[in-house]
Amino acid sequence: NAGVTQTPKFRVLKTGQSMTLLCAQDMNHEYMYWYRQDPGMGLRLIHYSVGEGTTAKGEVPDGYNVSRLKKQNFLLGLESAAPSQTSVYFCASSRGGFDEQYFGPGTRLTVT
Amino acid sequence: AQKVTQAQTEISVVEKEDVTLDCVYETRDTTYYLFWYKQPPSGELVFLIRRNSFDEQNEISGRYSWNFQKSTSSFNFTITASQVVDSAVYFCALSGWETSGSRLTFGEGTQLTVNP
Repeated sequence: NAGVTQTPKFRVLKTGQSMTLLCAQDMNHEYMYWYRQDPGMGLRLIHYSVGEGTTAKGEVPDGYNVSRLKKQNFLLGLESAAPSQTSVYFCASSRGGFDEQYFGPGTRLTVT
Repeated sequence: AQKVTQAQTEISVVEKEDVTLDCVYETRDTTYYLFWYKQPPSGELVFLIRRNSFDEQNEISGRYSWNFQKSTSSFNFTITASQVVDSAVYFCALSGWETSGSRLTFGEGTQLTVNP
């Protein structure tokens, strides 16, 4: 039982490049989330999903897109990376909307 | 809108001291949930506790205890007899039933350093 996994763990991008972060969970959770963590700002929600095939915007969705084609996977895409997107990205999942969230190990992204 | 404030950015204590981490929240919802998470130096976030707005009983789990007071909109976290392994960033978070659905609002975190 791996819990929540994220791929890759580290990535360096040049401005304008695109990439996709993959999140996978094996707990059969309905809800999945993408957060970004920046120094002194806690975690901020980018997008989330309340079930397979659904997505919704969070607090800071601009510049990101997501897809949840399979229940166990939640993809976060950056179409044209900007230096402001340099951050640590965390994926999380939960059984229900108000249950505790289980977090992945994070992806450290640097955009130069 | 909802907001979580953790006024203590950094706290440093000596091992075996007790330490309290403050959390003050704002929400217009009558039903809401409060959480504490721990982020050790390894970086992964670990769930510690969840309370709902209708349960004001304090909770104790080993050296950890939580004091929930609706009258002051606070959900404080105390570590008794702190240990070096308690060194981490601790986050308080809030989810309001009506306002935010399943979306968590996090505080900015408190960096706790326990020195030997």
